[in-house]
Amino acid sequence: KQEVTQIPAALSVPEGENLVLNCSFTDSAIYNLQWFRQDPGKGLTSLLLIQSSQREQTSGRLNASLDKSSGRSTLYIAASQPGDSATYLCAAGGFYNQGGKLIFGQGTELSVKP
Amino acid sequence: NAGVTQTPKFQVLKTGQSMTLQCAQDMNHNSMYWYRQDPGMGLRLIYYSASEGTTDKGEVPNGYNVSRLNKREFSLRLESAAPSQTSVYFCASSVRTLNTGELFFGEGSRLTVL
Repeated sequence: KQEVTQIPAALSVPEGENLVLNCSFTDSAIYNLQWFRQDPGKGLTSLLLIQSSQREQTSGRLNASLDKSSGRSTLYIAASQPGDSATYLCAAGGFYNQGGKLIFGQGTELSVKP
Repeated sequence: NAGVTQTPKFQVLKTGQSMTLQCAQDMNHNSMYWYRQDPGMGLRLIYYSASEGTTDKGEVPNGYNVSRLNKREFSLRLESAAPSQTSVYFCASSVRTLNTGELFFGEGSRLTVL
């Protein structure tokens, strides 16, 4: 059974710092890995989707990498801003024998201090 | 551009009452999902519908029923609500289920069962 873990559960950094959020998964047989952002009281917004054949994806100040062999993905946020404060969730997906559903980590709550 | 719309946003029920959460998407997606989000448990899949006319159980289906009314709409019904069903419920959609692409979420429905 796939398990997805995100450590740390919470992170506080000063504005301007570069930071890395970690995501690990136990079963490397995935089709893709997605990163989401969730603001308090809101739904999830997709940030980056990495297909299993890819090593990384970039969008603006965000860069996500995928290493299937080690069961890890990282989300790199450059020059963090207070507006980046939110909970970040990763999800491993696409298991054929489970109909391709996503398995979510519990998230890392990020606070960027001005 | 509405995306995924859920109603109601908030609901308070008494134990034993029934209710239906409604979800509609306007992106012509084939697959739709219902998740619940609980502190310390993360997001867990309740039911999903790979395509119009099909539904399947997820991780935590007990106490729930679903209906894929048409390609746009996917409803979640609680027949006899229990306090353990107090949660935030999210509907999501994607182009397909297997090797799913980007997942789009609604804003959530916050349910309290007394």
